[in-house]
Amino acid sequence: AQTVTQSQPEMSVQEAETVTLSCTYDTSESNYYLFWYKQPPSRQMILVIRQEAYKQQNATENRFSVNFQKAAKSFSLKISDSQLGDTAMYFCAFTMYNNNDMRFGAGTRLTVKP
Amino acid sequence: DTGVSQNPRHKITKRGQNVTFRCDPISEHNRLYWYRQTLGQGPEFLTYFQNEAQLEKSRLLSDRFSAERPKGSFSTLEIQRTEQGDSAMYLCASSLERHNQPQHFGDGTRLSIL
Repeated sequence: AQTVTQSQPEMSVQEAETVTLSCTYDTSESNYYLFWYKQPPSRQMILVIRQEAYKQQNATENRFSVNFQKAAKSFSLKISDSQLGDTAMYFCAFTMYNNNDMRFGAGTRLTVKP
Repeated sequence: DTGVSQNPRHKITKRGQNVTFRCDPISEHNRLYWYRQTLGQGPEFLTYFQNEAQLEKSRLLSDRFSAERPKGSFSTLEIQRTEQGDSAMYLCASSLERHNQPQHFGDGTRLSIL
């Protein structure tokens, strides 16, 4: 069974600084997808960034980038130049290649402080 | 693209009552997913549809739960004889069938059992 572990329940960062959120996963598959989703307080979950396991290059979306280490089964999210609007729960998620069910970690609550 | 719509946003009911939630996916998405999210946790997969066919159900989906997507468009999730443990946020997501397409989430329906 695929599992996703986020070992940091809460983190905080000063505005404009950089923060890294950790995620590890367990799977025996070689083809899969990894995602980071953001869930602001009382708001909809939105996709931040995604990574295809067969791609060695780390995904980047503006201030968000990942460090994907396939052998170590690690998928961390780096947020650069943190903004107050980045305050949210961040969930790491995994799906098999056929994208049936998505497995989520327990989440990391990130607070960006002014 | 109006996004995934879920109704109602909140539902409060007495233990033992039946409740039904509705999800309207993004119009061109043929896959629809239901998740349950309890406080402080990541979403847990319940079931998913491809068009009108329910292709996978989690063991979390007890006999009291039933989901339908009769015409391959909107979906309903019904919980019969609700229990205290059913209190949660119920999230709906939709996606295209093609590989690596992300799931787009609705705002969720928060169920509170008195």
